[in-house]
Amino acid sequence: DTGVSQNPRHKITKRGQNVTFRCDPISEHNRLYWYRQTLGQGPEFLTYFQNEAQLEKSRLLSDRFSAERPKGSFSTLEIQRTEQGDSAMYLCASRVLEAEAFFGQGTRLTVV
Amino acid sequence: GDSVTQMEGPVTLSEEAFLTINCTYTATGYPSLFWYVQYPGEGLQLLLKATKADDKGSNKGFEATYRKETTSFHLEKGSVQVSDSAVYFCALTEANKLIFGTGTLLAVQP
Repeated sequence: DTGVSQNPRHKITKRGQNVTFRCDPISEHNRLYWYRQTLGQGPEFLTYFQNEAQLEKSRLLSDRFSAERPKGSFSTLEIQRTEQGDSAMYLCASRVLEAEAFFGQGTRLTVV
Repeated sequence: GDSVTQMEGPVTLSEEAFLTINCTYTATGYPSLFWYVQYPGEGLQLLLKATKADDKGSNKGFEATYRKETTSFHLEKGSVQVSDSAVYFCALTEANKLIFGTGTLLAVQP
C-alpha cells in the first residue's frame, strides 16, 4: 500500500480562479478527512466522508468550498473564486472507522 | 467544542537532553488522545496514543500518560536526538474527527 496520495503537491493560482485538489486514500479506508493548515497552526477540520457520504462539514467552511467522494474511493476538494486567505496547506487523511488516521503530504495552495 | 492547548515553541534542546512538551485539553466526554509528528517536508505521522484515563502511550522512546484529573497528555522523552527535530501536535477525537493543537516546533542541536 502506498499510503495516502495527494495531488498536486503545490498549486499557485490567481485570485478569483477555481482550483481542485485530489486525494487518493489507502484502499479500503472507509473514512476520509480534509484539513487545512496555515503557518504556525495545527490542522483545522474541514469535512469528512464515510464511504461516499459527506457526514460533516465545518461551520467555518465557506460555500466556495465543496468536496466529493464519488463511489467512496478518491476525493476532490474544489475551491471556487479563490481568495488570498485560502492560501494554506490542504491535508487529506484516511482511516478505518476509529483506527489510526493516515495523512497525505498535503497540497500547498498559494493564491496570488 | 472540544479543544487542545499546547505549549508554544520553538523548543531548542541539546542532544541527549530531556524533553517535555505540555498538552492540556478540554472535552465534554472522554476522548482518545494522540501525539502526531511532522518531520520537515512530510505529512503528519501518528507517534503515540492513549484511549482512556491512566493509559500510557509510548513509541520510539517518547511517552505520554492520559491524566483525566489534570486533563493533560504531556509528551516526554528521556534523551532527544537531532533526528527528533520536527513539529509535534497534540490531538483528541471529537465525534469521529481529530482536533489538533497548534503544534510545537522542536529543534535539537548536536
